Amino acid sequence: RKEVEQDPGPFNVPEGATVAFNCTYSNSASQSFFWYRQDCRKEPKLLMSVYSSGNEDGRFTAQLNRASQYISLLIRDSKLSDSATYLCVVNSRAGNMLTFGGGTRLMVKP
Amino acid sequence: DTEVTQTPKHLVMGMTNKKSLKCEQHMGHRAMYWYKQKAKKPPELMFVYSYEKLSINESVPSRFSPECPNSSLLNLHLHALQPEDSALYLCASSQEGSYEQYFGPGTRLTVT
Repeated sequence: RKEVEQDPGPFNVPEGATVAFNCTYSNSASQSFFWYRQDCRKEPKLLMSVYSSGNEDGRFTAQLNRASQYISLLIRDSKLSDSATYLCVVNSRAGNMLTFGGGTRLMVKP
Repeated sequence: DTEVTQTPKHLVMGMTNKKSLKCEQHMGHRAMYWYKQKAKKPPELMFVYSYEKLSINESVPSRFSPECPNSSLLNLHLHALQPEDSALYLCASSQEGSYEQYFGPGTRLTVT
């Protein structure tokens, strides 16, 4: 079993749609969780950290379910510019190390 | 300012060449990282430096040699690489006490 698992997609959605991604992690001792966004041939960029109480940043909402060991990302009112790969990232190992999921590809169509 | 810079942006090298990748950050971060990313795959950790000391080496072949000259700079020296080493090499940094890592734009390496 992979340490961090994501549905690779692609998710093809029309502009304005709401789309949700899930991610599961295997290490119950993990403490920090993130969503990164990566555009084609670019570096990953931190989208948001994920807190136990859930958090929202504009059209983006992230939630953490520790009991089920899954993390979600909800994008409302999708824009063409949201098209990217979304990486679920967890500190599942010692020290400063992060473990990346395989990424979920989102394509927003006009 | 959450900027990590990397040079060069692109690098083509032969299997007998020696080259170096450079990474710089001026955010006062005390941890710096090298990752390797192949197409359609997530980044894979190679090395971690903490307070200018190598703290993690993810069993990377010795043809990759990291160096941290000071708290703002991180180098990756390359020697006798193989074509399968062609990839995007990403540098990242994080501040003390935080797991949030900030990535540079990467160096796209092609080994011929």
